[in-house]
Amino acid sequence: QKEVEQNSGPLSVPEGAIASLNCTYSDRGSQSFFWYRQYSGKSPELIMSIYSNGDKEDGRFTAQLNKASQYVSLLIRDSQPSDSATYLCAAHQGGKLIFGQGTELSVKP
Amino acid sequence: SAVISQKPSRDICQRGTSLTIQCQVDSQVTMMFWYRQQPGQSLTLIATANQGSEATYESGFVIDKFPISRPNLTFSTLTVSNMSPEDSSIYLCSVDRSGNTGELFFGEGSRLTVL
Repeated sequence: QKEVEQNSGPLSVPEGAIASLNCTYSDRGSQSFFWYRQYSGKSPELIMSIYSNGDKEDGRFTAQLNKASQYVSLLIRDSQPSDSATYLCAAHQGGKLIFGQGTELSVKP
Repeated sequence: SAVISQKPSRDICQRGTSLTIQCQVDSQVTMMFWYRQQPGQSLTLIATANQGSEATYESGFVIDKFPISRPNLTFSTLTVSNMSPEDSSIYLCSVDRSGNTGELFFGEGSRLTVL
């Protein structure tokens, strides 16, 4: 079983829609969770972090964490073509960051 | 954020040779990590580069294959030794400027192709 799992996609949404990206993790000892965005041919960049149960909003992005269900999600409101990228979920456990396989998001104009 | 310079950005290597990747950070950082991203795959942690001591390797990665140096708090190198085509990958240096929080900044990566 992979430690951090995501649907690989691709996920396609129309411009202006809400994109919903999901992630589950296996290690209950994980304390903090992150979403990284990776454009094609580029390095990952941190877009959201979440440490406690509930929602965390930052502009058009909302991260959600449910530790009981071992579930993390990222919502992108008013999706733009510039949001088209691979989104990597990561869990911080044992002093290291473990990444999921990433979900490719395509926002169609 | 952090400015992280990696060299080389890309290289084509022959089977059996070794290549050293350099990572230079614009300020002192405690935690530096080396990741590998194989084509179409996610990031896999190779090792944590520890300043002044041996690197901490993840399962499946060994020092003989991936020797790492960390002579100071702003610089690290990763060597890929005795390369085979399976080592063709992007190698990424990353730093955590806040200690060990999981909030990583990545270099631009070094894309290696082994023929």
